[in-house]
Amino acid sequence: NAGVTQTPKFRILKIGQSMTLQCAQDMNHNYMYWYRQDPGMGLKLIYYSVGAGITDKGEVPNGYNVSRSTTEDFPLRLELAAPSQTSVYFCASSFTGEVGTEAFFGQGTRLTVV
Amino acid sequence: QKEVEQDPGPLSVPEGAIVSLNCTYSNSAFQYFMWYRQYSRKGPELLMYTYSSGNKEDGRFTAQVDKSSKYISLFIRDSQPSDSATYLCATQKSGANNLFFGTGTRLTVIP
Repeated sequence: NAGVTQTPKFRILKIGQSMTLQCAQDMNHNYMYWYRQDPGMGLKLIYYSVGAGITDKGEVPNGYNVSRSTTEDFPLRLELAAPSQTSVYFCASSFTGEVGTEAFFGQGTRLTVV
Repeated sequence: QKEVEQDPGPLSVPEGAIVSLNCTYSNSAFQYFMWYRQYSRKGPELLMYTYSSGNKEDGRFTAQVDKSSKYISLFIRDSQPSDSATYLCATQKSGANNLFFGTGTRLTVIP
């Protein structure tokens, strides 16, 4: 059982570059989420999706974009990387919207923008 | 004001000690209260959750919620070195899609 798989695990970007963080789940979960985790700040929700073709903003969406063309995949796009986007990014999924009670998190992508 | 406040620690205890981890929250609309464990360089994993007020026990772990004081607690009995991790509290409103996390408390259990 793979669960939630994130790639890459690590990445260094230069300011202004773009990249896509990949997230895939094999549990047939409807709900998927992107969080970022910064030291001393806790995890913050960037975007979430309640099903294929449906996405919505979370607390900190600026500088990011998402799409959900399939149930399994939920990529996060950074268009113009900035140092403020240096963080650890976690993708999560849940079968229902009761995310706290059943969410599965991926292993994270550590991104550094220099 | 942050939605959820958590003492970041770090907290160091000897093996076998009882550990108490605590959070406070500000919004009385929160109905779900979760504790996650996060090992170094790994994703959070759900330990347990409670709905509304009360206690919940799972093996050596007990979660408590006191909605009157907006206080969340996690107790670990007979702590083990394998319990060494960062513990995150989180809250959620019923029907909402967002979790509000505390900053995490780093726990080390010394053999």
